[in-house]
Amino acid sequence: EAGVTQSPTHLIKTRGQQATLRCSPISGHTSVYWYQQALGLGLQFLLWYDEGEERNRGNFPPRFSGRQFPNYSSELNVNALELEDSALYLCASSLVGSRETQYFGPGTRLLVL
Amino acid sequence: AQSVAQPEDQVNVAEGNPLTVKCTYSVSGNPYLFWYVQYPNRGLQFLLKYITGDNLVKGSYGFEAEFNKSQTSFHLKKPSALVSDSALYFCAVRDFQGAQKLVFGQGTRLTINP
Repeated sequence: EAGVTQSPTHLIKTRGQQATLRCSPISGHTSVYWYQQALGLGLQFLLWYDEGEERNRGNFPPRFSGRQFPNYSSELNVNALELEDSALYLCASSLVGSRETQYFGPGTRLLVL
Repeated sequence: AQSVAQPEDQVNVAEGNPLTVKCTYSVSGNPYLFWYVQYPNRGLQFLLKYITGDNLVKGSYGFEAEFNKSQTSFHLKKPSALVSDSALYFCAVRDFQGAQKLVFGQGTRLTINP
């Protein structure tokens, strides 16, 4: 069974540009989560999508946004990139329910110059 | 708010020795606790979780964790360490307050010396 996939693996942008990151969940999983892993800040929750709806977001500015498609894949968009947005962005998927395990993809490393 | 703490930034163990990576939690209600491992330039790999039931949870790659309610701890253990166990380990707790998100500890760098 295929795991969570993310693309691209690496992304280099300049300040002010927009970045789009993509995630495909494990087959059968309807929930997708996005986390940011920045140096010195640990793993921070960004967004949670389920059944095409944004269910919750973390403490990030509105320029971080995303969506979930009918096939449950998801996209994270970061507008007006800032240097501090440089980080590893991890996507996870799970079945619905608080007891369910979140399985992570390999991540997209975003570098903002 | 739910939180976990990993008191050690780094743990060094000789190959073949038992290893312990510590995690303490602070939650309201019953905790759902998880351990993940991250190898260099990789995502997180799920090791094990505690939801309810036996306090000793067995997971992948020979790892296990002991849930201790009185000490609010969920330490990760392995009887005999391998050099390939060297990685970054994260403890996490499920947040029930609307987000269903995982709240992570700051991570512990485990180094197994040959």
